[in-house]
Amino acid sequence: DSGVTQTPKHLITATGQRVTLRCSPRSGDLSVYWYQQSLDQGLQFLIQYYNGEERAKGNILERFSAQQFPDLHSELNLSSLELGDSALYFCASSVEHTLNGYTFGSGTRLTVV
Amino acid sequence: GESVGLHLPTLSVQEGDNSIINCAYSNSASDYFIWYKQESGKGPQFIIDIRSNMDKRQGQRVTVLLNKTVKHLSLQIAATQPGDSAVYFCAENRDTGRRALTFGSGTRLQVQP
Repeated sequence: DSGVTQTPKHLITATGQRVTLRCSPRSGDLSVYWYQQSLDQGLQFLIQYYNGEERAKGNILERFSAQQFPDLHSELNLSSLELGDSALYFCASSVEHTLNGYTFGSGTRLTVV
Repeated sequence: GESVGLHLPTLSVQEGDNSIINCAYSNSASDYFIWYKQESGKGPQFIIDIRSNMDKRQGQRVTVLLNKTVKHLSLQIAATQPGDSAVYFCAENRDTGRRALTFGSGTRLQVQP
């Protein structure tokens, strides 16, 4: 157990729908990162939050959004889902001021049908 | 966390042999590199890291070599064991103002007993 908790583990939904993925970071970690692992692009950085505020943005579609709550858990919202959004979505957490301790959760497998 | 069917290069080795996994990175400004291991059903797991002011770093059974001249990173695993079978990713931090990682495409290591 890495200490980073992601729910749900699996999600199957139809095109056009909206889903929310949840991440609880390791105790004490203030930063949360979201990554997408798809068939043809490997692991791609989506977005980072630090202590409730957006810190960095990567290749995140406008249909996707995220937030980090006061208790530091984060949610990734995916809307108007397309078949190509099927992927593994990983959350990672870290202590902000060092690159050490960048720990991933077990991921959510999203299947869009 | 299982790989989603990426068409990955595969390295097959015999149990007890040494393994060398290679990675080319693209940004000469990257100053921090990490190797991750991803087993089926799990998220990426930190193995070892190295900063750009070093050319070699050793851990338990693992060594990372960095050649900045040719922008090449390698992971050496000594006395490879069946439990080492997994997909291995290198990752680089390209922008020290952000802590997003850029991942390579991965190599699948298969250890034959």
